[in-house]
Amino acid sequence: EAQVTQNPRYLITVTGKKLTVTCSQNMNHEYMSWYRQDPGLGLRQIYYSMNVEVTDKGDVPEGYKVSRKEKRNFPLILESPSPNQTSLYFCASSFDLQGNGKVELFFGEGSRLTVL
Amino acid sequence: GENVEQHPSTLSVQEGDSAVIKCTYSDSASNYFPWYKQELGKRPQLIIDIRSNVGEKKDQRIAVTLNKTAKHFSLHITETQPEDSAVYFCAAIRMVNTGFQKLVFGTGTRLLVSP
Repeated sequence: EAQVTQNPRYLITVTGKKLTVTCSQNMNHEYMSWYRQDPGLGLRQIYYSMNVEVTDKGDVPEGYKVSRKEKRNFPLILESPSPNQTSLYFCASSFDLQGNGKVELFFGEGSRLTVL
Repeated sequence: GENVEQHPSTLSVQEGDSAVIKCTYSDSASNYFPWYKQELGKRPQLIIDIRSNVGEKKDQRIAVTLNKTAKHFSLHITETQPEDSAVYFCAAIRMVNTGFQKLVFGTGTRLLVSP
């Protein structure tokens, strides 16, 4: 089954304790991205990657890191989490796009993170 | 960079009525405009999209219109049903020949369809 898998789905942690949210897709997608969803603010892009070893900042990258060593995996790293990073996080992937190629973003189920 | 504004933030309609959600974008180079639906507790899913070379696209009860001059696009849902209740997000992106980069979403519209 084609899917984007995130782990953990729920996490409560404390300020300053490094954590990683993993994201894996089995659709051979080149494009992957992380979003955070907060009430009234919609979906805001944190980082994206257009291919292996190619990553770039989205609109809210502060406090986050990513890596893309393999095509299928795109982990999100919070080196020193703070309470303002409490949010619902979504990983998403899509086909590589050439001209009029398919552009649908496939989202993971989300990871709800609480930083105390 | 691109900025997408979405209105209204909440919309309540009676079953069978039509619903319209509107978005405006700032970057005239944006050329692709998808709409995503997020049911309660679920992930967002693409429901319809439109490219800048067309003005309207329909898929059964949903349609999207695009006015490039005004930098405005809208989602239209006809004959609404309770299962249409969800949060709807518009988005705008500038696609390049190697793919798309920053996909900017609107802030979402919570649609409630009452029986």
